[in-house]
Amino acid sequence: AQSVAQPEDQVNVAEGNPLTVKCTYSVSGNPYLFWYVQYPNRGLQFLLKYITGDNLVKGSYGFEAEFNKSQTSFHLKKPSALVSDSALYFCAVRDLASGYSTLTFGKGTMLLVSP
Amino acid sequence: SAVISQKPSRDICQRGTSLTIQCQVDSQVTMMFWYRQQPGQSLTLIATANQGSEATYESGFVIDKFPISRPNLTFSTLTVSNMSPEDSSIYLCSAYLAGGPHEQFFGPGTRLTVL
Repeated sequence: AQSVAQPEDQVNVAEGNPLTVKCTYSVSGNPYLFWYVQYPNRGLQFLLKYITGDNLVKGSYGFEAEFNKSQTSFHLKKPSALVSDSALYFCAVRDLASGYSTLTFGKGTMLLVSP
Repeated sequence: SAVISQKPSRDICQRGTSLTIQCQVDSQVTMMFWYRQQPGQSLTLIATANQGSEATYESGFVIDKFPISRPNLTFSTLTVSNMSPEDSSIYLCSAYLAGGPHEQFFGPGTRLTVL
């Protein structure tokens, strides 16, 4: 079985400060890892993914994430937060080796960036 | 990439009635998925819809309650039958392109309120 944990319900940062949204995962094979963002009354938008290769992946809107296999983590980061980054962030995993075809999502982390 | 549209975007329904949600993808996709997102919660997979075969339902979801059609490679419908207030949720359609860049694309969601 595959699972994702997002330990923080909410992360608060001031505009201009760096932000980190945490994610850990559990899979039986090699993970495909994703971050999505959901703005109020909107669907999910893809931010970035890790499939293979460099552990640091860069995505949309200046976000990046670091894959750490030993810690089974895939934390989302941004060097300088914007108020407009305030949204709900979901980490997700897919483990094709297990034959499971779709994504399993974490419970989500609300990011609030204050001016 | 793929663009996914859903109809209706929102509806308010009376208990005991049924609502059919339509999902249209602008590319041919092999697998489509239906998720439910209850207020402030994460996404829960309802079922996987493959063209030409019966949908595969996750634990806790049954075909009588959530019948799904998948008549071709770009379209699917989800019906929420005999609705109760507990069915009030956002219903999201999703798909990914086989052989593509791995990320799943999501529709904007259908916000259902059952009175």
